[in-house]
Amino acid sequence: QITLKESGPALVKPTQTLTLTCSLSGFSLSTRGVGVGWIRQSPGKALEWLAIIYWDNDIYYSPSLKSRLTITKDTSKNQVVLTMTNMDPVDTATYYCARRPVGDYTRFFDYWGQGTLVTVSS
Amino acid sequence: EIVMTQSPATLSVSPGERATLSCRASQSVGSSLAWYQQKLGQTPRLLIYGASTRATGVPARFSGSGSGTEFTLTITSLQSEDFAVYFCQQYNDWPLTFGGGTKVEIK
Repeated sequence: QITLKESGPALVKPTQTLTLTCSLSGFSLSTRGVGVGWIRQSPGKALEWLAIIYWDNDIYYSPSLKSRLTITKDTSKNQVVLTMTNMDPVDTATYYCARRPVGDYTRFFDYWGQGTLVTVSS
Repeated sequence: EIVMTQSPATLSVSPGERATLSCRASQSVGSSLAWYQQKLGQTPRLLIYGASTRATGVPARFSGSGSGTEFTLTITSLQSEDFAVYFCQQYNDWPLTFGGGTKVEIK
């Protein structure tokens, strides 16, 4: 059974750095073709793609947030970590991690975590 | 970046009726288009990829069509569990971008 689970702080202060962890089960980040991405959703708003990391450590970021984001993977723990610096109240959102299925040109997401709500407030 | 525009923002439909949702891309994305369903308080669920291929377990009443810049998600004979928000996503080019969503509500 494939599952993803996000973990991290529910509340961060403005200017702080957010660190979120996505723990994977039922599939491995070391498997060829696997990718894990992060997507966020502000309350009542649309989805916004943030970053993705592939099994071979290929990485892509949203250009609008690239300067603030870092995505890494720990294959031994089967986890993906996203850090976002200089948090602002506008970054308040539910943050999801999701799996990109194996295959050519499959840059969509077939399994999603439950999401974790992050509020930015002093 | 490719901007995805969904219409209408809200669609009021009676159970058993057909719903037609539109998604337009600011430039061609070929067939690299996915649709997701998100029920209130829940995680997005992949419905369609490749513009017209249903994901595993998705009922046949959901169908996708289109290519290039114009795409449609059709839900025939709406069931109570289909009332939700639907998002499209292009994956032809970086950055990956989503539409603003269409809320399908009970008429």
